[in-house]
Amino acid sequence: EDKVVQSPLSLVVHEGDTVTLNCSYEVTNFRSLLWYKQEKKAPTFLFMLTSSGIEKKSGRLSSILDKKELFSILNITATQTGDSAVYLCAVSGGGSQGNLIFGKGTKLSVKP
Amino acid sequence: NAGVTQTPKFRILKIGQSMTLQCAQDMNHNYMYWYRQDPGMGLKLIYYSVGAGITDKGEVPNGYNVSRSTTEDFPLRLELAAPSQTSVYFCASSYSSHGEKLFFGSGTQLSVL
Repeated sequence: EDKVVQSPLSLVVHEGDTVTLNCSYEVTNFRSLLWYKQEKKAPTFLFMLTSSGIEKKSGRLSSILDKKELFSILNITATQTGDSAVYLCAVSGGGSQGNLIFGKGTKLSVKP
Repeated sequence: NAGVTQTPKFRILKIGQSMTLQCAQDMNHNYMYWYRQDPGMGLKLIYYSVGAGITDKGEVPNGYNVSRSTTEDFPLRLELAAPSQTSVYFCASSYSSHGEKLFFGSGTQLSVL
């Protein structure tokens, strides 16, 4: 069965800390791995990763994929209270062309 | 830019009632999706569509129906609502296949009592 596992499920840090969120997967016919940020409402797209070892960066956020070991990490440096959210990892693959397989998410709380 | 618009934002149903969740997108995306998100769980795909007139089941389709008469609209119908359908529902669309780079609506919080 295809699955995506995120860890930790929740995390509390203080402003200025650096955090690393983990996502491991077992998905047939892997195509890509995506990270989303979900605040109170809809998830918003952060990164899409398709190739191993190539880091994607956007400001203080960065992500990398390891297709051999089947995992990805999302790093956030110099965290701010506005980074507080649930971070979702999703993998495109499996048997259905319409299906993104989502992990349960990591709830990040950044305290002042 | 409107993007993906979902209505209503909140709804309370009694067991056995029916309702339609509306979803419209103005980005001319061919691919549209309905997900549900239960507390502490990832999003689960209910139904998806790859274009007008074409729909297919996702992971959790039971108790739901969809139609796609136009590129813009993708309503989700709940027949005979049950407490197990209490959830947050998200409509999404994408310009590429395989559900990548989804653009989400703001969600519908549905409670079935």
